[in-house]
Amino acid sequence: DAGVIQSPRHEVTEMGQEVTLRCKPISGHDYLFWYRQTMMRGLELLIYFNNNVPIDDSGMPEDRFSAKMPNASFSNLKIQPSEPRDSAVYFCASSLGTGGRNTEAFFGQGTRLTVV
Amino acid sequence: GESVGLHLPTLSVQEGDNSIINCAYSNSASDYFIWYKQESGKGPQFIIDIRSNMDKRQGQRVTVLLNKTVKHLSLQIAATQPGDSAVYFCAENIYNQGGKLIFGQGTELSVKP
Repeated sequence: DAGVIQSPRHEVTEMGQEVTLRCKPISGHDYLFWYRQTMMRGLELLIYFNNNVPIDDSGMPEDRFSAKMPNASFSNLKIQPSEPRDSAVYFCASSLGTGGRNTEAFFGQGTRLTVV
Repeated sequence: GESVGLHLPTLSVQEGDNSIINCAYSNSASDYFIWYKQESGKGPQFIIDIRSNMDKRQGQRVTVLLNKTVKHLSLQIAATQPGDSAVYFCAENIYNQGGKLIFGQGTELSVKP
């Protein structure tokens, strides 16, 4: 397996535009996570899915953020409208499930988002 | 924009020395822990894990120690090499909260040749 695949690697957009980040988890993994990394806040969990169902979205900063997982091989994170403070690296990760080593999250390379 | 950034704790060691990176966790219900290594421009990668019913686990050049009494984890790297330079995170999984991992602040390790 190629690992978790995220696209794009880099995104520069203007304030007010819609941004869509994409993720393909590792095949067979039941959990998918979206994290945001900034110098100010470190690595924050935004939302996670189990078997394509959102389980905990308490980390989503506000209504401008939404995430979906229409099937087991794809998820997207949307920001509409985007703001400069959304600039960060966004990581997608997937894992097999719960219990010990199954909890290990495998991370993608991340999408570096810059909102100007 | 942000006027104040979070400065990661930094550990600077000489090549060949041992490194010790510390992490405090807050939830006594956490039952599984992972140390991750993040190199520049990459996502975090698994180094070693430990369950809450253990207090020590060893891997290749790395050892993790867990002290549940004070909710403290440490990662020891033996004979530190320049390739070990990275940011290191501890992550905890809380029992009965599914498969999610909560990450600590991170420590930047810098290895001087």
